[in-house]
Amino acid sequence: GQQLNQSPQSMFIQEGEDVSMNCTSSSIFNTWLWYKQEPGEGPVLLIALYKAGELTSNGRLTAQFGITRKDSFLNISASIPSDVGIYFCAGQMMGTAGNMLTFGGGTRLMVKP
Amino acid sequence: GAVVSQHPSWVICKSGTSVKIECRSLDFQATTMFWYRQFPKQSLMLMATSNEGSKATYEQGVEKDKFLINHASLTLSTLTVTSAHPEDSSFYICSARVALGEQYFGPGTRLTVT
Repeated sequence: GQQLNQSPQSMFIQEGEDVSMNCTSSSIFNTWLWYKQEPGEGPVLLIALYKAGELTSNGRLTAQFGITRKDSFLNISASIPSDVGIYFCAGQMMGTAGNMLTFGGGTRLMVKP
Repeated sequence: GAVVSQHPSWVICKSGTSVKIECRSLDFQATTMFWYRQFPKQSLMLMATSNEGSKATYEQGVEKDKFLINHASLTLSTLTVTSAHPEDSSFYICSARVALGEQYFGPGTRLTVT
């Protein structure tokens, strides 16, 4: 199925650094979701965004719903080793197509202590 | 919070055999369950959507006769990989939701076909 364009594909950073990743789409969504997946586990929801322009924080994580409704970014501040994992964005068009999720390709984050 | 479990967490089977994976919503009744497949270093790809008591809707390219999905109750869906081959080796993840609400993901099942 369709995938969102998520970048970067991977990041290898030093502990304490800030991280930024984003997703873009050719079509609009009315919901953007950000998930984290750790090895051998299913995705866990981090942040949900429901309104264009919305900026939401969850601890050290901040995500924004792009004003065009075709993009979103996720920032992680002051990274720590337990931030390691794969981060996926997902777009959703609530009210259509059974509210199906469309996933990005993922950003693999590695943090060096 | 809403919890989704999968069983088994990992399974190894011989080529040509069938294997069944269970997905359960533990503390809520899921009207819809989804099955995803994830190959190494790739994203989740939706295989099929199932509503309780109805036949599953398969995504394009997914063989319905090979990947049998049963959603007999509001808390249980099963995926049976029939006549498994090494190329079916993958990480299978289910998710469940109530009506059109949030999807909750299971922990995944790693299938290895030898």
